[in-house]
Amino acid sequence: EAAVTQSPRNKVAVTGGKVTLSCNQTNNHNNMYWYRQDTGHGLRLIHYSYGAGSTEKGDIPDGYKASRPSQENFSLILELATPSQTSVYFCASGDYNNQAPLFGEGTRLSVL
Amino acid sequence: GEQVEQLPSILRVQEGSSASINCTYENSASNYFPWYKQEPGENPKLIIDIRSNMERKQTQGLIVLLDKKAKRFSLHITDTQPGDSAMYFCAASRNSNNRIFFGDGTQLVVKP
Repeated sequence: EAAVTQSPRNKVAVTGGKVTLSCNQTNNHNNMYWYRQDTGHGLRLIHYSYGAGSTEKGDIPDGYKASRPSQENFSLILELATPSQTSVYFCASGDYNNQAPLFGEGTRLSVL
Repeated sequence: GEQVEQLPSILRVQEGSSASINCTYENSASNYFPWYKQEPGENPKLIIDIRSNMERKQTQGLIVLLDKKAKRFSLHITDTQPGDSAMYFCAASRNSNNRIFFGDGTQLVVKP
């Protein structure tokens, strides 16, 4: 069964600390995405990737890095976390045949 | 890129009535239009999609219409139930890079 798994599911970080959010997909999808969603709002694209070794900037990349070491894994890195990065983060994967991306369960991040 | 406009942002309807959400897109090359439903505390889930070779698609109380000339597509929920209360997102993508663009979402509230 197609799946996108995010870890951790919940994270509390301190301002200035480093945070890494991980995403794993078993769908053999080429494309992977990181979004953030603030309460009651839409999905904003941070970074995305077309395949292993590639990362592209989305609409709000500042303060975030991404890494795609393999087809299955896509990480989002906050080198110096700030309270404004408190949000819910969703990872998604999709393929070139224009199938709708499949979303992970989300990671709730609080930066204190 | 692409811009997807979604209206209304909030929609309140009476149980048993129909609800309509409208989206427009800019790029005439867009050819795939999925719709997602997101319940509180959960991830967005695909509920229906339509490709550019179709004008209408229907499944389980959901109807999607696509007007390529007007670059407009819409979701119609017939006989709404309280369980239909959720956030709904439209999206558009095209084959060339498969980056998917989301609307800002519609909060549907079905009143008993």
